[in-house]
Amino acid sequence: SQQGEEDPQALSIQEGENATMNCSYKTSINNLQWYRQNSGRGLVHLILIRSNEREKHSGRLRVTLDTSKKSSSLLITASRAADTASYFCATDYTVGGSNYKLTFGKGTLLTVNP
Amino acid sequence: IAGITQAPTSQILAAGRRMTLRCTQDMRHNAMYWYRQDLGLGLRLIHYSNTAGTTGKGEVPDGYSVSRANTDDFPLTLASAVPSQTSVYFCASSRGPYYNEQFFGPGTRLTVL
Repeated sequence: SQQGEEDPQALSIQEGENATMNCSYKTSINNLQWYRQNSGRGLVHLILIRSNEREKHSGRLRVTLDTSKKSSSLLITASRAADTASYFCATDYTVGGSNYKLTFGKGTLLTVNP
Repeated sequence: IAGITQAPTSQILAAGRRMTLRCTQDMRHNAMYWYRQDLGLGLRLIHYSNTAGTTGKGEVPDGYSVSRANTDDFPLTLASAVPSQTSVYFCASSRGPYYNEQFFGPGTRLTVL
């Protein structure tokens, strides 16, 4: 399966600490995206990193991509209680030359304690 | 309307009944998607549409059908609901099918008894 796998499945930290989540995948990708989901809500796109990029920043978010290891990491710096959510990586790849597929991992549940 | 709306918010349905989940977007996005989210299984793609008038099967299409008569609407129909279709269903859209972020609706929680 192309599905990305997040690690860890759950992470609990104190407010102000940094949170790191990892994603591994199996085959070549076009890009990798990270999404956030608050309990009972839809997913919200956080950041997209293309296969030819190695690092990307957006506010307190830092994403890295290592295509040789087929892995990505999402770092949230100076975490806040409001960052409590599930975080999903989604890998985007092409099948058969023209069919686009985006598959999601099972997510990391991040809890930030006040 | 701003973004994607889904209806109903939740529904309890008897097995064997027909049900249509509605999805509407006002962003003029070409591509739309239906996912189901189940505990321990993450999000799985049911059907997708790269542009109005076309649809395609995702990872778990059996028991579901879709149509895309226009750009804005992408209804998902369960012809004869079964308990295994109990799930949270999310509709999403993107500008196009390639290299684009997806925007998600708030979800429909469906229980089939």
